Amino acid sequence: KAGVTQTPRYLIKTRGQQVTLSCSPISGHRSVSWYQQTPGQGLQFLFEYFSETQRNKGNFPGRFSGRQFSNSRSEMNVSTLELGDSALYLCASSSVTSGSLHEQYFGPGTRLTVT
Amino acid sequence: DAKTTQPNSMESNEEEPVHLPCNHSTISGTDYIHWYRQLPSQGPEYVIHGLTSNVNNRMASLAIAEDRKSSTLILHRATLRDAAVYYCILRANNAGNMLTFGGGTRLMVKP
Repeated sequence: KAGVTQTPRYLIKTRGQQVTLSCSPISGHRSVSWYQQTPGQGLQFLFEYFSETQRNKGNFPGRFSGRQFSNSRSEMNVSTLELGDSALYLCASSSVTSGSLHEQYFGPGTRLTVT
Repeated sequence: DAKTTQPNSMESNEEEPVHLPCNHSTISGTDYIHWYRQLPSQGPEYVIHGLTSNVNNRMASLAIAEDRKSSTLILHRATLRDAAVYYCILRANNAGNMLTFGGGTRLMVKP
């Protein structure tokens, strides 16, 4: 079974621009979560989607948004990029919407650099 | 969310057992204890989880204190490939898929 894939793997953008990152979950998984990882703040939850609906949202400004398509693929968008948005963005998929008995599978991440 | 406390870093020799501690004194009765690890340049990967009893799988063992205020992840024979950041996370059973990561423990394995 193919793992979680994220595209692109690396991205360089300029302040003020916007960016869209893509995540394809493991086949059959309907839950997709996004995380931001920075050296200063560590791994922080951005949001989770299940069946095209946002189920949970972390403490990030409205510049960060996401969506999920009917095939469970997900995209996240960051508008008006700031230098502090430079980070590794990770996507995770799960077969269920909740439940502590189920693990999450992470992709390799997209490394975003804002200059 | 209940918090976890882990040492910032630990060192181990290759092929020796490693015990990674985690304190979670405010754990609630329905919180499961999960461990993930993040190898260099990779996303986190699931290691093991448990509720009250000790658990074993092909990757590791999880020892949970009787009062559940602490737990220990045990790697029975560390290899160089086990060098990673290990995260101890509490998950409530009906709290969705959000994982709250702390700082984790950076494990260094010496040959």
